Amino acid sequence: DQQVKQNSPSLSVQEGRISILNCDYTNSMFDYFLWYKKYPAEGPTFLISISSIKDKNEDGRFTVFLNKSAKHLSLHIVPSQPGDSAVYFCAASAPGGSYIPTFGRGTSLIVHP
Amino acid sequence: DSGVTQTPKHLITATGQRVTLRCSPRSGDLSVYWYQQSLDQGLQFLIQYYNGEERAKGNILERFSAQQFPDLHSELNLSSLELGDSALYFCASSVALAGKNTDTQYFGPGTRLTVL
Repeated sequence: DQQVKQNSPSLSVQEGRISILNCDYTNSMFDYFLWYKKYPAEGPTFLISISSIKDKNEDGRFTVFLNKSAKHLSLHIVPSQPGDSAVYFCAASAPGGSYIPTFGRGTSLIVHP
Repeated sequence: DSGVTQTPKHLITATGQRVTLRCSPRSGDLSVYWYQQSLDQGLQFLIQYYNGEERAKGNILERFSAQQFPDLHSELNLSSLELGDSALYFCASSVALAGKNTDTQYFGPGTRLTVL
C-alpha cells in the first residue's frame, strides 16, 4: 500500500513554462514533506521541504504547495529550464519514530528547449 | 557533491553469491540509511543505523544485513543473491537530531548491482 503516490510517471514541458508535479499521500500523521531531484547516475538531492503548519514554501524558482485537507502537495517550477530535466521524488515523514521519510515512485520531468 | 561516498559504483555478480556495499557518510552525520531502488520503483527503505546502533528497519530481506562501524562508515551485505536483487542501492546520511523528523537526508551516488 503506497502511502505517498506520484501518479504521473512523466511530464513534458516547454522551456520557460511552468512545471507542476503532483503528490498525494494517505497517512494523516505525515507532517513534513520533501521534494528530491535525481539526475541519472547520481543520488537524489534535496530540493525543498514544507512543514504541515504552512501551506506554501518558496525557494527561488521552486514553490511547494500543501493542501492538508486534500492530502495533496505540488511542486511548481517557474520558469522551467532544460537543466530541470530530472526525476522528482516526493517524500513525507511523521513525527516520532526514526525520521524515515516515505518516498513516492517519482515523476520524470523533461523540459524541452 | 553530497559528501556521501559509496563504493563500488557498479557490481556484477551471479546468483547465489554474496556482495558487500560500502558507504561513508558526510562528515558530522551520525545516521546512515540504506535504500533500494528497483526498476520503476521508488526508494524502498531498508535499514537505518545511528552512531553504530540499528535504529530502524524497513523492507529488508533476511538475506541482507548491515552494520555501522566506529568510524561511522556502513556496509550493506547481500547474500544468496537472486535475479530480483538487481537494483540501485543508495546510502544516505543525516544528522538525525533527536525528537525531530525535519531531517534532510544526503544521498550518495548509489551502487548499481546486477545479478546474472
